[in-house]
Amino acid sequence: DSGVTQTPKHLITATGQRVTLRCSPRSGDLSVYWYQQSLDQGLQFLIQYYNGEERAKGNILERFSAQQFPDLHSELNLSSLELGDSALYFCASSSPGGLWETQYFGPGTRLLVL
Amino acid sequence: KNEVEQSPQNLTAQEGEFITINCSYSVGISALHWLQQHPGGGIVSLFMLSSGKKKHGRLIATINIQEKHSSLHITASHPRDSAVYICAVRSRDDKIIFGKGTRLHILP
Repeated sequence: DSGVTQTPKHLITATGQRVTLRCSPRSGDLSVYWYQQSLDQGLQFLIQYYNGEERAKGNILERFSAQQFPDLHSELNLSSLELGDSALYFCASSSPGGLWETQYFGPGTRLLVL
Repeated sequence: KNEVEQSPQNLTAQEGEFITINCSYSVGISALHWLQQHPGGGIVSLFMLSSGKKKHGRLIATINIQEKHSSLHITASHPRDSAVYICAVRSRDDKIIFGKGTRLHILP
């Protein structure tokens, strides 16, 4: 158990819909990262937050947005969903240094868009 | 060409063999990570490297910054080492780029 929790574990929805994925980092970790893993693209970095502020941005679509709240949990919002958004979404947290130190991954949320 | 290349893509070996997985990258980096993804999908961070060598149990990771190359070695491999091993780099402009992974299967 990494100490990172993600909800929900599974999500099935329809094209055009909007969903919210939630991540609670390990106690004391200030950085949260969001990743997408699909069969054809592999793992891709979406976005990083550090202590409530956006720190780095990867291949995150404009239809997707994220935020980190004062209690350090983070949410990833996916809107106008398309079939190609079906993937495993991981969040990870890292230690207070704010750099890319050892990451602790959550179990992932499996999203299926029908 | 991908910015992070791993080799081999697939590797099958007998229990006890010494395993080497390679990662080459084409961008300037601030750090490199080796990750392990189990068949159930869970991901574990094995090492974070910015220079030199790190060892944890039977796992050894090395990086050569000048040659833009890293290796992950597993000594005395065991069937429980069967997993996908993924190399990831953080570029100097803060992109995180993943390799496509090496699928390792250790036979008893």
